[in-house]
Amino acid sequence: KNQVEQSPQSLIILEGKNCTLQCNYTVSPFSNLRWYKQDTGRGPVSLTIMTFSENTKSNGRYTATLDADTKQSSLHITASQLSDSASYICVVSAVGNEKLTFGTGTRLTIIP
Amino acid sequence: GAGVSQSPSNKVTEKGKDVELRCDPISGHTALYWYRQRLGQGLEFLIYFQGNSAPDKSGLPSDRFSAERTGESVSTLTIQRTQQEDSAVYLCASSFGRAHEQYFGPGTRLTVT
Repeated sequence: KNQVEQSPQSLIILEGKNCTLQCNYTVSPFSNLRWYKQDTGRGPVSLTIMTFSENTKSNGRYTATLDADTKQSSLHITASQLSDSASYICVVSAVGNEKLTFGTGTRLTIIP
Repeated sequence: GAGVSQSPSNKVTEKGKDVELRCDPISGHTALYWYRQRLGQGLEFLIYFQGNSAPDKSGLPSDRFSAERTGESVSTLTIQRTQQEDSAVYLCASSFGRAHEQYFGPGTRLTVT
């Protein structure tokens, strides 16, 4: 069964600090992995999408890494801002079946 | 133009009533998806439309759930005889095709009392 697990479930950090969110998946055969940001009361918004051959991809202060061998991904947020408070969702799709498998997300709270 | 829009934003209904949720996708997007997000859980796929056809309905949880799409545009998700376990946020997304990036609407929060 295709599964995506994220950790930690929730995280609280001070504004300006860095943090790293983790994602492990069992989706096979792997097609791509996406990180979404979901603000409270809004739909998810794509941050990055990574294919098998990509190890690192950045989007501003967000950097995603992918290790297709160990089936792990991380999302690193640098110099956090209050607006980074949101849920971050890891989403994986399989080759030949583009149906997305969603993780349950990490709830990130930035405090001043 | 505008992003994906959904209406209503919130819906409270009594158990046993029928509800209709609406999704307006981004213009030109041929693919449309419905998802359910229960509190504290990940998004669950419900149904996928390509044009006005639904080649993948595998996520619909029961025959009380149905969806249609017309004019390769607006879609409605109908839940008949609502149950308390139907309470969730229902999200709609659209894309240029199933392998393309999906853009999500803000969701409809459904509460069944």
